[in-house]
Amino acid sequence: ETGVTQSPTHLIKTRGQQVTLRCSSQSGHNTVSWYQQALGQGPQFIFQYYREEENGRGNFPPRFSGLQFPNYSSELNVNALELDDSALYLCASSRDNEETQYFGPGTRLLVL
Amino acid sequence: QKEVEQDPGPLSVPEGAIVSLNCTYSNSAFQYFMWYRQYSRKGPELLMYTYSSGNKEDGRFTAQVDKSSKYISLFIRDSQPSDSATYLCAMNRGRNTGFQKLVFGTGTRLLVSP
Repeated sequence: ETGVTQSPTHLIKTRGQQVTLRCSSQSGHNTVSWYQQALGQGPQFIFQYYREEENGRGNFPPRFSGLQFPNYSSELNVNALELDDSALYLCASSRDNEETQYFGPGTRLLVL
Repeated sequence: QKEVEQDPGPLSVPEGAIVSLNCTYSNSAFQYFMWYRQYSRKGPELLMYTYSSGNKEDGRFTAQVDKSSKYISLFIRDSQPSDSATYLCAMNRGRNTGFQKLVFGTGTRLLVSP
């Protein structure tokens, strides 16, 4: 069984740029959630996608947006990058009848 | 006040010790409780999952939930240097409330010395 994969592993951007992060969910999982983890903090919920629709969002501005594709993979897009966006971005997948979420290795984003 | 409080540590113990990790929370609507282990620069790995109050054991790990006190614990028996990592508690209200949103503690950094 293939686990959650994310790409790229690392990324460096400058303030004001845009970035796209990608996630492939675990086999059999149809729900994808994205989290932001700042250094020394626990992950913070950004949003969740189910059946290609956003069905829940945390306290993040609209410049954070996403997509889910028919194969349940997902993208996280961040526009107008700010220095505070520097963090580890985690993708987690789950089945629609289970509460447990399984995380990928994350993408480490540095905004200069 | 944060919804989930967790002592960041670090917690240093000798090999073989029993480790107790704890979280408190304020939202009584939380029904599902999880513990994740996160090694440096890696994604969180699910260790234990518990629904509502009670105990659950898996090998050297035991998870306890006391909903009346809004307090959860993870015990690690016979701790090993390979257990050195950050342990994150997480909880949610349940998918039947609309969507899954895991709320995490800040994580406790555990160091097990040989």
